[in-house]
Amino acid sequence: DAKTTQPNSMESNEEEPVHLPCNHSTISGTDYIHWYRQLPSQGPEYVIHGLTSNVNNRMASLAIAEDRKSSTLILHRATLRDAAVYYCILNDNYGQNFVFGPGTRLSVLP
Amino acid sequence: GAVVSQHPSRVICKSGTSVKIECRSLDFQATTMFWYRQFPKQSLMLMATSNEGSKATYEQGVEKDKFLINHASLTLSTLTVTSAHPEDSSFYICSAKSGSLNTEAFFGQGTRLTVV
Repeated sequence: DAKTTQPNSMESNEEEPVHLPCNHSTISGTDYIHWYRQLPSQGPEYVIHGLTSNVNNRMASLAIAEDRKSSTLILHRATLRDAAVYYCILNDNYGQNFVFGPGTRLSVLP
Repeated sequence: GAVVSQHPSRVICKSGTSVKIECRSLDFQATTMFWYRQFPKQSLMLMATSNEGSKATYEQGVEKDKFLINHASLTLSTLTVTSAHPEDSSFYICSAKSGSLNTEAFFGQGTRLTVV
């Protein structure tokens, strides 16, 4: 399985942008890059996903490196409700093996 | 986004009994469902992947006879923890996907299982 590495934790100030990095140097050509976040005692929540091009939605933006070996989740204006564990996941060719790594715990300071 | 409903949200059972957890996709057909277990302050650990109408594929170290998974329809998968013991106490989470390559997964709210 292709693996991802993320920093264990990051901190941001409220209303400032946050850039959450993810390295996936062994990504294969057909792996999609997914991001999810999890609040305490809840199931994960979908944030965004992409293949090669940068993606934007109402929650965040996903910037994918040209060689696809890394990506960055961008929260444009962090709020206190964005404090969560963020997971970067690669989904394999058949949609199987949806494996979570340790993720990044984001703290947002008021 | 799509909704995945997991029931019950929490359950307490006696050691030696079995517990069934249901996972339903409410507004889409879930061709693939995943079951996870999560211990406090840890990440989600994939237990098994099930495709509708097929036997589940279990991850290494997960006992298929203890954690029975049934995915008999495109909207329902169940996880039965058989002969539960206190070490099975955990947060169990299901997720569902439709199609294959480029669809996102949607997650249930999780089930907090406590075995006493």
